[in-house]
Order: sequence, then structure tokens, then C-alpha cells
Amino acid sequence: EVQLVESGGGLVQPGGSLRLSCAASGFTFSSYAMHWVRQAPGKGLEYVSAISSNGGSTYYANSMKGRFIISRDNSKNTLYLQMGSLRAEDMAVYYCAREVYGDYVNWGQGTLVTVSS
Amino acid sequence: DIVMTQTPLSSPVTLGQPASISCRSSQSLVHSDGNTYLSWLQQRPGQPPRLLIYKISNRFSGVPDRFSGSGAGTDFTLKISRVEAEDVGVYYCMQATQNPYTFGQGTKLEIK
Repeated sequence: EVQLVESGGGLVQPGGSLRLSCAASGFTFSSYAMHWVRQAPGKGLEYVSAISSNGGSTYYANSMKGRFIISRDNSKNTLYLQMGSLRAEDMAVYYCAREVYGDYVNWGQGTLVTVSS
Repeated sequence: DIVMTQTPLSSPVTLGQPASISCRSSQSLVHSDGNTYLSWLQQRPGQPPRLLIYKISNRFSGVPDRFSGSGAGTDFTLKISRVEAEDVGVYYCMQATQNPYTFGQGTKLEIK
């Protein structure tokens, strides 16, 4: 069974940093691109970032460029999102998702990031 | 970025009746490889999203056949033939033809 388990969310002050993790199991992690998608409270889904299967290519939504860094450790079956210069509008549930040929086939349960002083 | 526009944003439906959601993209979603990477996601209350339909019209594993997708180019539709109580939630269209992937605003399906 495919499992994606996010962690690392919590309360952070504006301007602060946080690193999210997504532990994957039940599939060959190193064979798939992985994504981060977020959802602000009561709002819709927003693409955050993506990374290719070998980590060689990364993509970011414009509003995250320069502040967020996506990475992966295929030896640990883990996806990461390093978030910096956090703003109130970054407050959201952050989901990791496995992509299979352009489709978000599996999603984690999400981890909540709260940005507040 | 490709903009995805869904209509309606809210859809009250009677149990057993059909429902339809439209999604329009700001440019063609036909990829250079010939595929159209348009999918539909369902998010039930308190749950993460889940894949319903991929590449316009293919039902994902375990999705009931009352769900169907259609369309081409820039116009797409999700139809539910007979709405059941478990279908309540928010439905999103999503394009993966061009980076960054983008989502529609979501359509809230509720029971009258």
C-alpha cells in the first residue's frame, strides 16, 4: 500500500523558516516525480513545487521561487520542502503527492503550517 | 501560467439526480506528446484530495462508473450520473500539461 506521511509543520513567526518532510513507502520512490501542493484554510489547492525522480529538475510556483527549496533523498525515501521568509499567506496545509505521468495518484494527509507572531 | 476556470463554484443537487461541472483552460492542454493532461480531483470534507479522472476521461482505480469526464482542447466536463451522499465535497480540475501545474478554483457539491 502506498503511503505518504508529511511532518514538520507547526507554528512559525513571520520571516521564519521551516522544513517539511514527506516519508514515502509502498512504491519505488526513486522512480517518481514528487510534488508539494498547499491549501490555505477554506481555500482551494495551490501548486507549490515539484522535483523529478532523480532530483535533477525542480519547479516552483512563482510566489515561492527564491524562498522555498524542494529536495529529496532517495536512499531515505523522503521528500523535503525547506521554506524560508515565511509570510502570513503561506499558512496552509501542505500535502505531498506522487505524480504518475502527469497525475497526482497518491496524496498524504497533509501537515499544517501556521505563520503568526 | 495556464489559468483553469471552473463553473459553477457551487452546485446544490438532489440525491439521485445528475450533476455537471465545467472547466475551461486559458490555453490548449494538448501536450506535444499528444496527450491532454487534464484530471479531476475530489476532496471530501476533512480529507486530502483524491484522483477521480485522468487524461480527460479515464476513471482512476476504484472510482464508481457514475463519474465520467469528457472534453478536448480547452473545455472539459465532469459529470456525475446520479449523485450519492458520499459525493459531497469539492471538485477540482487540474492541468499537468505545462509547468507549473494549475488547479481550478474548486466546485462545491452539496445536497439540496
